[in-house]
Amino acid sequence: NAGVTQTPKFQVLKTGQSMTLQCAQDMNHEYMSWYRQDPGMGLRLIHYSVGAGITDQGEVPNGYNVSRSTTEDFPLRLLSAAPSQTSVYFCASTRTGGGTQYFGPGTRLLVL
Amino acid sequence: GDSVTQMEGPVTLSEEAFLTINCTYTATGYPSLFWYVQYPGEGLQLLLKATKADDKGSNKGFEATYRKETTSFHLEKGSVQVSDSAVYFCALSDPWSGDNYGQNFVFGPGTRLSVLP
Repeated sequence: NAGVTQTPKFQVLKTGQSMTLQCAQDMNHEYMSWYRQDPGMGLRLIHYSVGAGITDQGEVPNGYNVSRSTTEDFPLRLLSAAPSQTSVYFCASTRTGGGTQYFGPGTRLLVL
Repeated sequence: GDSVTQMEGPVTLSEEAFLTINCTYTATGYPSLFWYVQYPGEGLQLLLKATKADDKGSNKGFEATYRKETTSFHLEKGSVQVSDSAVYFCALSDPWSGDNYGQNFVFGPGTRLSVLP
């Protein structure tokens, strides 16, 4: 049982490049979410999903896309990276009905 | 909307000192409350939680009591160790907020704790 996994651990992009941050969980959780963590800002919700085929926007969705084709996977896409997207990104999952959120180890992204 | 306020720190203590990190919340209904800990270079881990008023969550010597009358969930530890150095986040999930049945969390800004030997 690996929990929540994220790849890559670290990535450097140039402005305008695109990339996908991968997230997977093996706990059969219906609910998954993406956060970004910036100094002094805590964690801010980007997008979330309550199950395969269903996604919705969080607090800071601009510049990011998500999809949920399976229960296990919830990738986050940056279509055209900007320096303002330099951050640490965390994926999390929760069982249906709420409760403890389980976090991945994070992806540190630097956009030059 | 729901919100969480916590002292931002940084907090610097000597080993074996008493720790309190204050957390207060605003919520529509009856949220569950959580403390998460983030060690350097790692993701967030659940430290403890409480799901209803007067519940006390405890783990690894840390405690927090859900106080509905003061809308607080302060984190305490009687004797901190160097290994407790980390960032601590207070959070809530509120099934009454209309926000996807409480599965969306609201986090405080985090409190950085440094414990010196």
